[in-house]
Amino acid sequence: RKEVEQDPGPFNVPEGATVAFNCTYSNSASQSFFWYRQDCRKEPKLLMSVYSSGNEDGRFTAQLNRASQYISLLIRDSKLSDSATYLCVVNNNAGNNRKLIWGLGTSLAVNP
Amino acid sequence: EAQVTQNPRYLITVTGKKLTVTCSQNMNHEYMSWYRQDPGLGLRQIYYSMNVEVTDKGDVPEGYKVSRKEKRNFPLILESPSPNQTSLYFCASSLAGIAGGSTDTQYFGPGTRLTVL
Repeated sequence: RKEVEQDPGPFNVPEGATVAFNCTYSNSASQSFFWYRQDCRKEPKLLMSVYSSGNEDGRFTAQLNRASQYISLLIRDSKLSDSATYLCVVNNNAGNNRKLIWGLGTSLAVNP
Repeated sequence: EAQVTQNPRYLITVTGKKLTVTCSQNMNHEYMSWYRQDPGLGLRQIYYSMNVEVTDKGDVPEGYKVSRKEKRNFPLILESPSPNQTSLYFCASSLAGIAGGSTDTQYFGPGTRLTVL
């Protein structure tokens, strides 16, 4: 089993739709969780951290379920500019290294 | 402007010709890291550095070297590049190497697309 797994998609949704991605992780001791966004051929950028109580940033909501070992990202009222690949990232904090484990990403295409 | 810069952005070279990809950050970050990104394999860490003169191997260090003589710079060296090192390379930095809160945010450079013929 991969350490971090994501559905690669692509998710094709119309503008204004609500879309949700899940990401599962295998290490129950994982401590920090993040969603990064990557546009085609560009660098990943932090979208949001995921906190235990869940957190929201505008149209984006992230949640963590430690019992089932998954995190989720919900995007409401999708915009064309939301089209990108969304990377799930888990920090296992192995010793001194910031051991970030990266998922392969979920591709989202928002269509007019 | 706070940023991570990489040079060159694109490079086509031939097998065995030594090359260096530079990385520089102006945020006074302690932690720096190199990744390569390949289709179907995602981002894989090559080397990382917790601070000046402190470097260590990531998941795929073979064929690469790094150095951290100054806090802001973290060059990636390919002594004898081979075609299997054709990839998209990212340098990243973050405030500290300890988990927790916003200090975990990794800031990435724009990437270097390397082709080894």
